[in-house]
Amino acid sequence: DIQLTQSPSFLPASVGDRVTITCRASQAITNYLAWYQQKPGKAPNLLVFPASTLQSGVPSRFSGSGSGTEFTLTISSLQPEDFATYYCQQLNSYPLTFGGGTKVEIK
Amino acid sequence: EVQLVESGGGLVQPGGSLRLSCAASGFSVGGQYMTWVRQAPGKGLEWVSVIYGGANTHYADSVKGRFTISRDNSKSTLYLQMNSLRTEDTAVYYCARGEPFNLWGLGTVVTVSS
Repeated sequence: DIQLTQSPSFLPASVGDRVTITCRASQAITNYLAWYQQKPGKAPNLLVFPASTLQSGVPSRFSGSGSGTEFTLTISSLQPEDFATYYCQQLNSYPLTFGGGTKVEIK
Repeated sequence: EVQLVESGGGLVQPGGSLRLSCAASGFSVGGQYMTWVRQAPGKGLEWVSVIYGGANTHYADSVKGRFTISRDNSKSTLYLQMNSLRTEDTAVYYCARGEPFNLWGLGTVVTVSS
């Protein structure tokens, strides 16, 4: 199974900050990586797939990059509505797996 | 409106069974990859199972042999039959469409406890 390691697990930040979340895969997955945002009590929302393609309706302050085993999700200027937990997911092979999550919280 | 609505969750004793349903509206489940994902209290997301094509299925090792995914195209409904439930199966269970998951339901809560 492909393991995904996200870092950091917690990310204290302020409105306007540039934040970067990293996701490392235990083996190469080309660009078959998705990013989701989840707010408390809600279902996740797809932000990016494949690794660098923003989904329709997602603000342009979000961007994804990477291929192979190392990927990043960047928020260029954090907004109040961006405080949430972010998960990466590999779709290269079954079983599909998620990273452990990164909680972006108010500093 | 395109949406997914899960039902069937509840409290069950260890060793018991539950069947979850996921009703789709605005599209047919028959032509889609349809997936179950769960989230234990305070924990991250865990992929559980997928069904696609004719009746191709895959399962997480943690549920293999205990859970069965299926769908009824005529009712546009996805199911998850869960047998031999364990306390560690306690979670919110979401159904989702596509790969990646571009549409999610609101989830249904399953609690396995004596």
